[in-house]
Amino acid sequence: SYDLTQPLSVSVALGQTASITCGGNNIGRKNVHWYQQKPGQAPVLVIYRDNNRPSGIPERFSGSNSGNTATLTISRAQAGDEADYYCQVWASRTWLDSRIWVFGGGTKLTVL
Amino acid sequence: EVQLVESGGGLVQPGQSLRLSCAASGFTFSTYEMSWVRQAPGKGLEWVSYITNNTTTIYYADSVKGRFTISRDNAKNSLFLQMNSLRVEDTAVYYCARGTTGSYAFDIWGQGTVVIVSS
Repeated sequence: SYDLTQPLSVSVALGQTASITCGGNNIGRKNVHWYQQKPGQAPVLVIYRDNNRPSGIPERFSGSNSGNTATLTISRAQAGDEADYYCQVWASRTWLDSRIWVFGGGTKLTVL
Repeated sequence: EVQLVESGGGLVQPGQSLRLSCAASGFTFSTYEMSWVRQAPGKGLEWVSYITNNTTTIYYADSVKGRFTISRDNAKNSLFLQMNSLRVEDTAVYYCARGTTGSYAFDIWGQGTVVIVSS
């Protein structure tokens, strides 16, 4: 299997920049996607393929991916950005002729 | 409006079965890959199963393989998840999610349906 490691929590001051990391073996070779989930709501895709924003996602959200770490960066953090954030990749299991979709454990972002 | 609406969740005893449905609207359902993703209470997201647009390829997470079956009816814009031999650890909110072409992300999610497995 393939494991993704995220910090349990990240705090950021209002208006400052938050960085949420996602660690995985050679993750830089994979496409990484990021989701935002607020309490009681379904996840929302905020970054796809490392650094692309879907329509409607503010430019304050950006991503990078290299080596063993992918990073979601939220600039000028707002109270409304408080949420859980999950990274995700898909992995091929060639010995099983199968694919799996893997999520990180999630990071709770607190805006102070 | 692009929308996914799940239904079929409920409270069942261990060993029983349940069939979830997901109704799609606002897009050409037959051209998209789809998946089921679940979230246990207070836990993170877990991918469950995937199906291509024409049903030619299907994948399952190891935790559900042999017990769950994904299917779709493109004529009715619907996705299904047949869940047999349910276990307590299958308790979760189940989301259907639309796959993005080529990048294997999930760009549209339903609101989820709750499955509780308890004796």
